[in-house]
Amino acid sequence: DQQVKQNSPSLSVQEGRISILNCDYTNSMFDYFLWYKKYPAEGPTFLISISSIKDKNEDGRFTVFLNKSAKHLSLHIVPSQPGDSAVYFCAASAQGQGAQKLVFGQGTRLTINP
Amino acid sequence: DSGVTQTPKHLITATGQRVTLRCSPRSGDLSVYWYQQSLDQGLQFLIQYYNGEERAKGNILERFSAQQFPDLHSELNLSSLELGDSALYFCASSPRDRPYNEQFFGPGTRLTVL
Repeated sequence: DQQVKQNSPSLSVQEGRISILNCDYTNSMFDYFLWYKKYPAEGPTFLISISSIKDKNEDGRFTVFLNKSAKHLSLHIVPSQPGDSAVYFCAASAQGQGAQKLVFGQGTRLTINP
Repeated sequence: DSGVTQTPKHLITATGQRVTLRCSPRSGDLSVYWYQQSLDQGLQFLIQYYNGEERAKGNILERFSAQQFPDLHSELNLSSLELGDSALYFCASSPRDRPYNEQFFGPGTRLTVL
C-alpha cells in the first residue's frame, strides 16, 4: 500500500526554467509534509516542509504547494540550477496519531540541462 | 555533512549470515530512525528509538532487531540474511520525539548479500 506516490520517476528541465515535482498521498491523516533531496552516495537532506494548516511555503528558490482536497503537493524550483540535479523524495507524517515515522515516496530523479 | 555517522559504508556478506550496522546520531539528538532503501524504491521506515526506548515500528522483519545505547548510538542487527535484504540502510536522527522537524540522515550503509 503506497500511501505516498511520486508518479514521475524522472524529470528533465532546462537550466533557468521552473522545475515542478509532484507528489500524491492517500492517507487523509497526514498533516505534515517534507521534501528531501538526495545526491548519489549521500543520505537524503531536508529541503523544505509544510504543515497542513498552510497551502504554501517558500524558501528561496524552493516553494512547496499543498492541495489538501486533492491530496496533492508539489515542489517548485525557480530558477533551476545544475546543482539541483538529484533525486527528490516527498515524505509525509501524521503527528496527531502519535506516529513517529515518515512515509516516503519512491523519488523523482531531476536532471537540469545546461 | 549532516552530523550523523554510519559504519560501515559498505558490507558484503553471504546468505544466512548476521551483520550489525552502526549509527551515531547528531550531538544532542535523542531520536534515531532506521530506514531501508531497496533498488529504485523509496525509503521504508523500519524502527525508531527515542532516548534508549523503542518508540515506533514499521516494516521491520522479525530477523531484524535494533537497539539504542545509553550514549545514544544505535545498532541495527540483521540476521539469517537473504538476497532480498541487499539494500541501502539509512539512519536518521532528530532532536525531538516527533518527525515534524526534519530528520537528519547519515550517508547510509550499502549491504550486499551474495
